[in-house]
Amino acid sequence: KQEVTQIPAALSVPEGENLVLNCSFTDSAIYNLQWFRQDPGKGLTSLLLIQSSQREQTSGRLNASLDKSSGRSTLYIAASQPGDSATYLCAAPYNFNKFYFGSGTKLNVKP
Amino acid sequence: DTAVSQTPKYLVTQMGNDKSIKCEQNLGHDTMYWYKQDSKKFLKIMFSYNNKELIINETVPNRFSPKSPDKAHLNLHINSLELGDSAVYFCASSQARPSISNQPQHFGDGTRLSIL
Repeated sequence: KQEVTQIPAALSVPEGENLVLNCSFTDSAIYNLQWFRQDPGKGLTSLLLIQSSQREQTSGRLNASLDKSSGRSTLYIAASQPGDSATYLCAAPYNFNKFYFGSGTKLNVKP
Repeated sequence: DTAVSQTPKYLVTQMGNDKSIKCEQNLGHDTMYWYKQDSKKFLKIMFSYNNKELIINETVPNRFSPKSPDKAHLNLHINSLELGDSAVYFCASSQARPSISNQPQHFGDGTRLSIL
């Protein structure tokens, strides 16, 4: 069974800092790796999707990397802003199209 | 326009009751999902349908019965509600199954179910 772990569970940084969120998975037979953002009381919003054959994806200040061999993905946020405060989740669709989610990293960016 | 919409947003009811949650997507997607998010924010898949066909049934008690009348709708009916059913239930959709299409999932805003 796939296990997805996210470290750290919570992170508080001052505005303007660059930061890295980590996601690890136990089985590398994933179809892709997705990063989501969840705001309080809301659903998940897709941020980036890295196909299993890709190494990274970029969208604005966000960059996600994927290393299947080591079972790791990172989400890099450049020049963080208070509006980036949210919970970030990674998900790995796997065996029989099941999505396995990490428990998330709660990010607080202080003005 | 909301892409994935769930109703109701909040549901407060007593143990033993039966309730339904509805989900609709206007994205033209083939695949829909139900997830349960517990108090620790852990998100776990419950069911998935592809073109009205059940493709994932993830060891969920048979008190939970999904129904997909067409590929734009996926409803969840829960019988004999228990305290442990209290959670946030999310509906999601994607263009196709992840094994054949690398497209992201789109989520609804969730239904907050509280059992008294």
